[in-house]
Amino acid sequence: GQQLNQSPQSMFIQEGEDVSMNCTSSSIFNTWLWYKQDPGEGPVLLIALYKAGELTSNGRLTAQFGITRKDSFLNISASIPSDVGIYFCAGILSGSARQLTFGSGTQLTVLP
Amino acid sequence: DTGVSQDPRHKITKRGQNVTFRCDPISEHNRLYWYRQTLGQGPEFLTYFQNEAQLEKSRLLSDRFSAERPKGSFSTLEIQRTEQGDSAMYLCASSSQGGSYEQYFGPGTRLTVT
Repeated sequence: GQQLNQSPQSMFIQEGEDVSMNCTSSSIFNTWLWYKQDPGEGPVLLIALYKAGELTSNGRLTAQFGITRKDSFLNISASIPSDVGIYFCAGILSGSARQLTFGSGTQLTVLP
Repeated sequence: DTGVSQDPRHKITKRGQNVTFRCDPISEHNRLYWYRQTLGQGPEFLTYFQNEAQLEKSRLLSDRFSAERPKGSFSTLEIQRTEQGDSAMYLCASSSQGGSYEQYFGPGTRLTVT
């Protein structure tokens, strides 16, 4: 079963607002990845994080690898309509090979 | 397009039938993964190949499921005697050799078992 708690489950925001979402776990992760998925499509990789404390940006997206290695955060600044979709965190557990463990997703709706 | 491709995109089958899905990874990637995603959930790991070797299988992969990657390029996932609970999106991902853990996903195959 899922070992990642992702929150919030859904968000409704106004265009131009900033968004924050996070994933937490009781387990230690070596790698964190953030994906966006549109309906009927596969997840698209947004950001990859490899070191505790690492802060990485990709355009309006910024993600952080928590210093305890048990959590990660994604921020989206100045949201636009095309940001609508489901955002997933995914991590590689310490001691595991390469399979990703996914959170249950955050459904983002951007209102005009 | 040099991304991960999957075929078919949609499959409707009757309970008890066998189905096979194909995944073509990004050409220079030697690692290939299969995941299953049900509605409202994140993808769940099924199995992982490095070149032609199947290195890891999830407990989710019952004995009705089999995956192959015979020449270390494309992969197939077969489900025998399908059940309604097999209805899901089946996703394939690939990653490059070396230290990168970044996995790139295909568009998925949506399976509906009636």
